[in-house]
Amino acid sequence: DAGVIQSPRHEVTEMGQEVTLRCKPISGHDYLFWYRQTMMRGLELLIYFNNNVPIDDSGMPEDRFSAKMPNASFSTLKIQPSEPRDSAVYFCASGTHYEQYFGPGTRLTVT
Amino acid sequence: KQEVTQIPAALSVPEGENLVLNCSFTDSAIYNLQWFRQDPGKGLTSLLLIQSSQREQTSGRLNASLDKSSGRSTLYIAASQPGDSATYLCAARGGNQFYFGTGTSLTVIP
Repeated sequence: DAGVIQSPRHEVTEMGQEVTLRCKPISGHDYLFWYRQTMMRGLELLIYFNNNVPIDDSGMPEDRFSAKMPNASFSTLKIQPSEPRDSAVYFCASGTHYEQYFGPGTRLTVT
Repeated sequence: KQEVTQIPAALSVPEGENLVLNCSFTDSAIYNLQWFRQDPGKGLTSLLLIQSSQREQTSGRLNASLDKSSGRSTLYIAASQPGDSATYLCAARGGNQFYFGTGTSLTVIP
């Protein structure tokens, strides 16, 4: 398996634009997690899915953030409209009930 | 809510030394504890996973221990090498969530 795949790897956008981050989990994993990492706040869980169903989105900072998982092999995290404070590295991780594996991350810069 | 703490935040050691990284958690009702490594600009790589029923796990020069009663886990690195330089994070699994520590940044000096 190729591991967790995220795209794009880097994204630079202007404030107010819509940003969509994509994730392909490892086949057979039934959990999918979206995290955000910054120097100031460390690694924060935004939302996670179990069997494609959102279980806990309490970490999603605002209504500007939304996440979907239409099937077991694909998930998106959307920010609309984006703001400079959204600049961070966004990680997707997939796993089982016991452990998780991280993708390489998407580095988002909002100017 | 589970809180996970890693002390120290940064550590520098000369090459060849054995070292211990610490991870503390407030709620002992965990399913497991996982140690990760993160290189600069990269994602997290899983190193070791200890189930709640286990006391330790070993992989090569790495040994992780778990003491649920005291809320502590340690990652022991033997004969450190410059290639071990990275940030090490621990994550405690409770309920359906993973709770991460803020990490220890390790520098191994040649």
